[in-house]
Amino acid sequence: NAGVTQTPKFRILKIGQSMTLQCAQDMNHNYMYWYRQDPGMGLKLIYYSVGAGITDKGEVPNGYNVSRSTTEDFPLRLELAAPSQTSVYFCASSYSSGRNEQFFGPGTRLTVL
Amino acid sequence: GESVGLHLPTLSVQEGDNSIINCAYSNSASDYFIWYKQESGKGPQFIIDIRSNMDKRQGQRVTVLLNKTVKHLSLQIAATQPGDSAVYFCADSGNYGQNFVFGPGTRLSVLP
Repeated sequence: NAGVTQTPKFRILKIGQSMTLQCAQDMNHNYMYWYRQDPGMGLKLIYYSVGAGITDKGEVPNGYNVSRSTTEDFPLRLELAAPSQTSVYFCASSYSSGRNEQFFGPGTRLTVL
Repeated sequence: GESVGLHLPTLSVQEGDNSIINCAYSNSASDYFIWYKQESGKGPQFIIDIRSNMDKRQGQRVTVLLNKTVKHLSLQIAATQPGDSAVYFCADSGNYGQNFVFGPGTRLSVLP
C-alpha cells in the first residue's frame, strides 16, 4: 500500500491564483482530513469527510473548498490564493471516526507571493 | 474554548536517558488522546493513543500517562535514541471526535 499520497510536494502561487492540492489513499478509509501547519505551530483542521459525498468544515475553512466524489480521493481547492495561505498542508485518513489513528501524507509546501 | 498546549517548547536530553514530554488540555469532555511524532519534512506519525477510561498505556519504549483530574497528558520515552529527535504533538479529540485539536509541539533533541 502507498498509504496517503499528496501532490504536488511544493508549489509557489501568485496572489489571486487558484490551485488544487491532490490527496489519495489506498487503505479504503472512510474518513479523510485536510490540515494546515504554520511554522512552529500545530496542525489546524481545514475540512474533513466521513465518506464519499460528505464533507464538513473544520476550524479554518475560509478560502478553501473540498469535494469527495470517491472513497480514495479528497482534493483541496484554493480559489483566490492569499499570502495568509502560505503553509504546509497535510492530508490524513482514518478507518472510522476521529477516535482512531490518522495516517498522514508527506505534505504540500505552498507559498503565496 | 478548548485548547491543547505544551509546557515546554524544546527539550534536550542525553542519549540513553529517559524523556518526558508534557501536554495540558482544557476540554474536560475529551475522551481520546494521541501522541504524534513529526520528523523534519515529513507528516506526523502515530506513536500511541489513550482513551479517557485509562490512566496509563505502554508501547514499545513509550508510555503515555493521563491525569484527568488536572487535564494533563505526558509521553515518556525510555532510553532515548538519536532517532527520537523530532517534534512531538499531543492531540485531543474534543467534543465530537472529528475535530482533533493539536498542540504547538515540543521539539526533542537527543544529545550524543
